[in-house]
Amino acid sequence: EAQVTQNPRYLITVTGKKLTVTCSQNMNHEYMSWYRQDPGLGLRQIYYSMNVEVTDKGDVPEGYKVSRKEKRNFPLILESPSPNQTSLYFCASSHFFTPRSQGGYSPLHFGNGTRLTVT
Amino acid sequence: RKEVEQDPGPFNVPEGATVAFNCTYSNSASQSFFWYRQDCRKEPKLLMSVYSSGNEDGRFTAQLNRASQYISLLIRDSKLSDSATYLCVVYNFNKFYFGSGTKLNVKP
Repeated sequence: EAQVTQNPRYLITVTGKKLTVTCSQNMNHEYMSWYRQDPGLGLRQIYYSMNVEVTDKGDVPEGYKVSRKEKRNFPLILESPSPNQTSLYFCASSHFFTPRSQGGYSPLHFGNGTRLTVT
Repeated sequence: RKEVEQDPGPFNVPEGATVAFNCTYSNSASQSFFWYRQDCRKEPKLLMSVYSSGNEDGRFTAQLNRASQYISLLIRDSKLSDSATYLCVVYNFNKFYFGSGTKLNVKP
């Protein structure tokens, strides 16, 4: 089954304790990205990656790191989490290049989400 | 100005009603457009891509107006199960931009 898998689904941690949220996709997608969703603010992009070893900042990258050593994995790292990083996080992937006759770029496939609480 | 703007609603409609949402985008060079559905605190799921000529999928019709820079979603014969938040998504220059969503409540 084609899917994006995030782990963990729920995480409660304390300020300053490093954590990693994993994301893996089995669709051979080139494009992967991380979003956070907060009430009233919608989905905001944290980082994205267009392919292996190619990453770039999104709109809210502060306090986060990513790596893309393999095509299928795109972990999100919080080196020193703070309470303002309490949020719902989604990983997503996309097949970046789609023949234009099919309407453009393929849509994003999302993971199930990770609900993070930092106390 | 936000890249993508939507009316947050909520739109409260009876079962069987027809309801329409609009979404405006700021970058005229935007390349791809999508409607997603999101149930409470779950992951967004693709409802439909939006093509230049407009497209239909069952009770759902999407339109793109590049001149006025908006996309629309029409839902006919609303069902209780259509209650959700509908997200407008626009792609340009390596990023997907999300509207904040329009909430739909379909009531018996």
